[in-house]
Amino acid sequence: AQSVTQPDIHITVSEGASLELRCNYSYGATPYLFWYVQSPGQGLQLLLKYFSGDTLVQGIKGFEAEFKRSQSSFNLRKPSVHWSDAAEYFCAVGAVSGGSYIPTFGRGTSLIVHP
Amino acid sequence: ETGVTQTPRHLVMGMTNKKSLKCEQHLGHNAMYWYKQSAKKPLELMFVYSLEERVENNSVPSRFSPECPNSSHLFLHLHTLQPEDSALYLCASSQESGGSYNEQFFGPGTRLTVL
Repeated sequence: AQSVTQPDIHITVSEGASLELRCNYSYGATPYLFWYVQSPGQGLQLLLKYFSGDTLVQGIKGFEAEFKRSQSSFNLRKPSVHWSDAAEYFCAVGAVSGGSYIPTFGRGTSLIVHP
Repeated sequence: ETGVTQTPRHLVMGMTNKKSLKCEQHLGHNAMYWYKQSAKKPLELMFVYSLEERVENNSVPSRFSPECPNSSHLFLHLHTLQPEDSALYLCASSQESGGSYNEQFFGPGTRLTVL
């Protein structure tokens, strides 16, 4: 079965600083990988996804992520954080089960942005 | 309405009550999901419906009963819940087609409190 590990429960950065959120996955085949963001009281919104091809993926809001098969990682990055980026971030890996797509989510990383 | 909507947004119920959560997707998708999101726990997949048939049930207690009358609507019927069932319940939808899998679109969730 697939699994996702987000080793950082909380990350605190200053506004304007760079950001990297870590995600490691376990899956026997080529994974479908996703990063979602959740603002307080809201559902999850997709930031970016990786299915195949270029291992550096660009997403919305200036985020990018790099798939590294050798490290089983899919880390999320942003060169300059804005105060509005404060939210919960979830990494997810998708696997096919019985012909349907069954995603597994990590525990999430809470991003705190200092002015 | 656009995207995925959920009603009610907040629900307080006693342990002997019966209530239902409703989810509607306006995206033309063919798969729908129920998730439970508790504080400090990973997102828990509860049910998956693909083409209106249940394809996944992650050993959810029988006090939770899903219903998917058509591809646009998903219900979660609740009865004799426990206080530990208090959580944010998220609905999501996605489009599955011929082995090509896509991201999920989430609703804002229903905040459930069981007294």
